[in-house]
Amino acid sequence: DTEVTQTPKHLVMGMTNKKSLKCEQHMGHRAMYWYKQKAKKPPELMFVYSYEKLSINESVPSRFSPECPNSSLLNLHLHALQPEDSALYLCASSQADRRDYEQYFGPGTRLTVT
Amino acid sequence: GENVEQHPSTLSVQEGDSAVIKCTYSDSASNYFPWYKQELGKRPQLIIDIRSNVGEKKDQRIAVTLNKTAKHFSLHITETQPEDSAVYFCAPGGYGQNFVFGPGTRLSVLP
Repeated sequence: DTEVTQTPKHLVMGMTNKKSLKCEQHMGHRAMYWYKQKAKKPPELMFVYSYEKLSINESVPSRFSPECPNSSLLNLHLHALQPEDSALYLCASSQADRRDYEQYFGPGTRLTVT
Repeated sequence: GENVEQHPSTLSVQEGDSAVIKCTYSDSASNYFPWYKQELGKRPQLIIDIRSNVGEKKDQRIAVTLNKTAKHFSLHITETQPEDSAVYFCAPGGYGQNFVFGPGTRLSVLP
């Protein structure tokens, strides 16, 4: 299985809601990532987990809270988001937390904050 | 941190022609040079990569060439087809470096 899956595909939430994005991989990869992608822009790194521990937080606002329950799962908890947080949220994984390994991306969750 | 640029930002070619996209980077310690393709509404996917001990790599209609001295590498697509229409991102890097993608090049292949 060489696929990363993400749920939900689409999410619309109000600024007072709490929601979670989920990501799963079964490739035995030890690094997992959350990216944010705005229209016509490259993916922008948010968080990196290595061996289930947070290794990089790219100064992301605390209204985004990542969680890695086990080596196959990655969650992103959302709370009190702003309309400018509307974007495509991509999960990715790689063999290790190294910049010289291929990253496998999930299909993304398109988030709209109203 | 790594400063990554791509040229051109948009490219239109006739079907069957060749396309070349160039990526320049600033960190001389980079040793891994991948290209990702992102079709409209889809996920980015690696299409080809090269490491610093190799100057060129080919996979059917696509190739990547590396000039480490000048700090740039290029994606070459020959005999372009409509399904090559996408945004292409370079993402040069190496062990311990930040995760940075280039700004992207939008390729349109006109039938």
